[in-house]
Amino acid sequence: DAKTTQPTSMDCAEGRAANLPCNHSTISGNEYVYWYRQIHSQGPQYIIHGLKNNETNEMASLIITEDRKSSTLILPHATLRDTAVYYCIVRVAGGNNRLAFGKGNQVVVIP
Amino acid sequence: DTEVTQTPKHLVMGMTNKKSLKCEQHMGHRAMYWYKQKAKKPPELMFVYSYEKLSINESVPSRFSPECPNSSLLNLHLHALQPEDSALYLCASSQGYGGRDTGELFFGEGSRLTVL
Repeated sequence: DAKTTQPTSMDCAEGRAANLPCNHSTISGNEYVYWYRQIHSQGPQYIIHGLKNNETNEMASLIITEDRKSSTLILPHATLRDTAVYYCIVRVAGGNNRLAFGKGNQVVVIP
Repeated sequence: DTEVTQTPKHLVMGMTNKKSLKCEQHMGHRAMYWYKQKAKKPPELMFVYSYEKLSINESVPSRFSPECPNSSLLNLHLHALQPEDSALYLCASSQGYGGRDTGELFFGEGSRLTVL
């Protein structure tokens, strides 16, 4: 699976959109981009995933560049409960089912 | 029911003890996972079961022994552990049916293990 690069940490203002970047320049054509988050002392939580089109669900939006070498997770209106470590992962859907976490991005939402 | 339930939530054991961690899901998922997470580190994959058969073992020491007695249950048997094995152990499940598997993993809250 391709590796990803994320900021180590970032702060976001409560009520504002939070834009979380991820680089995955070695992504393969059959690899999806997945986003998970882990709130302190809880298990990781799936947020969203996509292949090449932009995706939106009730939690977030995922914007993938045309060359697929980077993506941005957008939390439209950050709340204090969005404070978490966010993981960007690239992976073949199904297949060998290996989901490998990188170091992640510690996001702190500030009042 | 979209829950993965792990028991116990906390476990303290000595290096000579034998204990087990349990994980249960009732979503009809056919793939189940064990991850280990040390403090301030990302989760590390240990094992993957697909259709109740072990499909991935990430070179985990034999003192950790997984078992999948049926499609809803996953156990992790612990024996002769070391203090450095103290960690949060996370269980997860996914659909696991080939082309219908979106890759979304559902995680439990974890079992926090302390080895004395």
